[in-house]
Amino acid sequence: GAVVSQHPSWVICKSGTSVKIECRSLDFQATTMFWYRQFPKQSLMLMATSNEGSKATYEQGVEKDKFLINHASLTLSTLTVTSAHPEDSSFYICSARRTDNYGYTFGSGTRLTVV
Amino acid sequence: DAKTTQPPSMDCAEGRAANLPCNHSTISGNEYVYWYRQIRSQGPQYIIHGLKNNETNEMASLIITEDRKSSTLILPHATLRDTAVYYCIVRVGGDTGRRALTFGSGTRLQVQP
Repeated sequence: GAVVSQHPSWVICKSGTSVKIECRSLDFQATTMFWYRQFPKQSLMLMATSNEGSKATYEQGVEKDKFLINHASLTLSTLTVTSAHPEDSSFYICSARRTDNYGYTFGSGTRLTVV
Repeated sequence: DAKTTQPPSMDCAEGRAANLPCNHSTISGNEYVYWYRQIRSQGPQYIIHGLKNNETNEMASLIITEDRKSSTLILPHATLRDTAVYYCIVRVGGDTGRRALTFGSGTRLQVQP
């Protein structure tokens, strides 16, 4: 149990376009999901906390107008990278935790390349 | 959450036990020790967690010292597929899941054939 599905696994887009990444909890409800970003040879950095039915909470330095997060249901959170630039190229990972379990489950990640 | 310190890298021979240490000298009484690993180009994977007793599951064993200031993750028979970055994370357990995990730099384990 506690499976998180992330889609797409990789995407290449042109500068200036927007990209949407989906994160779904398949067998549990997640009132809170988390979005991380990971650059090559670095650790995961938390970008934002996605709360079902309310606004996301962004970490310091993360532009909320650039990284739009929507958590419209208890099983789906989306991250939209707007007006993407090459410096946004990174590995994006979502995560959630069942409230009856101490372990956090992570999606398989999305490799974004902006050209 | 208490700070953790891990060696940046370790090597292990295939088939041998891999012992990954973690120091968490400022751990509080209600903080758990979690271990995750991240295989290249994948999301992190939960391995094990514990409060003060040693724990074992199908993946690994977790040994926590009596004073809880350090712990060791043991992979009893390492395989090439265990090559990954291993993260030791300390945080309060039993919350509602509304706080994210914070990752340090972890230990890069290379299992050698």
